[in-house]
Amino acid sequence: AQTVTQSQPEMSVQEAETVTLSCTYDTSENNYYLFWYKQPPSRQMILVIRQEAYKQQNATENRFSVNFQKAAKSFSLKISDSQLGDTAMYFCALGNAGNNRKLIWGLGTSLAVNP
Amino acid sequence: DTEVTQTPKHLVMGMTNKKSLKCEQHMGHRAMYWYKQKAKKPPELMFVYSYEKLSINESVPSRFSPECPNSSLLNLHLHALQPEDSALYLCASSQAVYIYEQYFGPGTRLTVT
Repeated sequence: AQTVTQSQPEMSVQEAETVTLSCTYDTSENNYYLFWYKQPPSRQMILVIRQEAYKQQNATENRFSVNFQKAAKSFSLKISDSQLGDTAMYFCALGNAGNNRKLIWGLGTSLAVNP
Repeated sequence: DTEVTQTPKHLVMGMTNKKSLKCEQHMGHRAMYWYKQKAKKPPELMFVYSYEKLSINESVPSRFSPECPNSSLLNLHLHALQPEDSALYLCASSQAVYIYEQYFGPGTRLTVT
């Protein structure tokens, strides 16, 4: 069975500091994609960053970067220079041809950025 | 900043009402999705449409009836809902079902009284 595990239900960070959210996954597929989605309170779910499994280079989008460890099946999200607007639920998701091509979601991490 | 729109934003309905949720995307995507989301939980997939045909129904009760009139539009018809159906209903789209990057609309907050 394919799974995505986010072991930190809640986290907090001070504004301007760096925080890392963890995600581990399990799949038998060789070709897959990993995503981090952000859902601010009462606001829209948006895609933060994506990583193709065949790419060794870690994806980066402005202040957001990932640490993709394929052998360890780990996909953590680092947020640098945290801003108040980063307060949100963060979901890690796995996509591949298995499981009828449905996204597999982690349970989420609720991140609070404190002033 | 959204290219997936959903109407209405909020909906309150009684258990005997019939209502519809609407979703529209103008990105030329050929896969569209309905999800149900409870507070602080991940989205739960309900239906997937691929090239305007229903490709996945996650054993959703028949009181939820999806419809895809064309490649840009997705509807969810609601009838005889239960209070436990109260949730945020999200629509999403992707270029195709084998392109896993999905883009979400803002959702419809549904309350069943």
